[in-house]
Amino acid sequence: ELKVEQNPLFLSMQEGKNYTIYCNYSTTSDRLYWYRQDPGKSLESLFVLLSNGAVKQEGRLMASLDTKARLSTLHITAAVHDLSATYFCAAEQGNLIFGKGTKLSVKP
Amino acid sequence: SQTIHQWPATLVQPVGSPLSLECTVEGTSNPNLYWYRQAAGRGLQLLFYSVGIGQISSEVPQNLSASRPQDRQFILSSKKLLLSDSGFYLCALYTGVEQYFGPGTRLTVT
Repeated sequence: ELKVEQNPLFLSMQEGKNYTIYCNYSTTSDRLYWYRQDPGKSLESLFVLLSNGAVKQEGRLMASLDTKARLSTLHITAAVHDLSATYFCAAEQGNLIFGKGTKLSVKP
Repeated sequence: SQTIHQWPATLVQPVGSPLSLECTVEGTSNPNLYWYRQAAGRGLQLLFYSVGIGQISSEVPQNLSASRPQDRQFILSSKKLLLSDSGFYLCALYTGVEQYFGPGTRLTVT
């Protein structure tokens, strides 16, 4: 059974700082997804990582995938307040299995 | 591109009342469709998924049911709501590459 663990679950950052969110999954997965959720809103797709070594970047966010380590990371560069949200990773095994989410708060 | 509509956006229902939530999609045909529930401050729980008309798979035994009467319509129902049914209900579709989520229905059972 595929299990997905994210850490940390809560992250308070200062603007301008860098940080990484980690997503570990327990068994082989075809793909790894990252989503963003703003309070009271639905999930917005950020990245889909399809293969080992895949790296994708959008603005201050960069996601990578290491299938051998069963690990994906979401790196935040020079955080700004607008990045405050909850970030979910999900691994695919037939259906998507989601982590519990990382609630990110960026403070000035 | 695909669009997902969910109706209603918010709903307040008493315990024991029935429920019907609707999800319709545009811009795609024969999609895989999903119902998720998110309790307050929690992660996502997959409730049902469907690979075609009339084909429903249940992930969690409970007092909810789902139906897919048309290719682009997915309905979540209950005959009698429980307090524990409160949450944010999200419909999603899978394109073969990505999974997209609808705007959601926030259900409060009182």
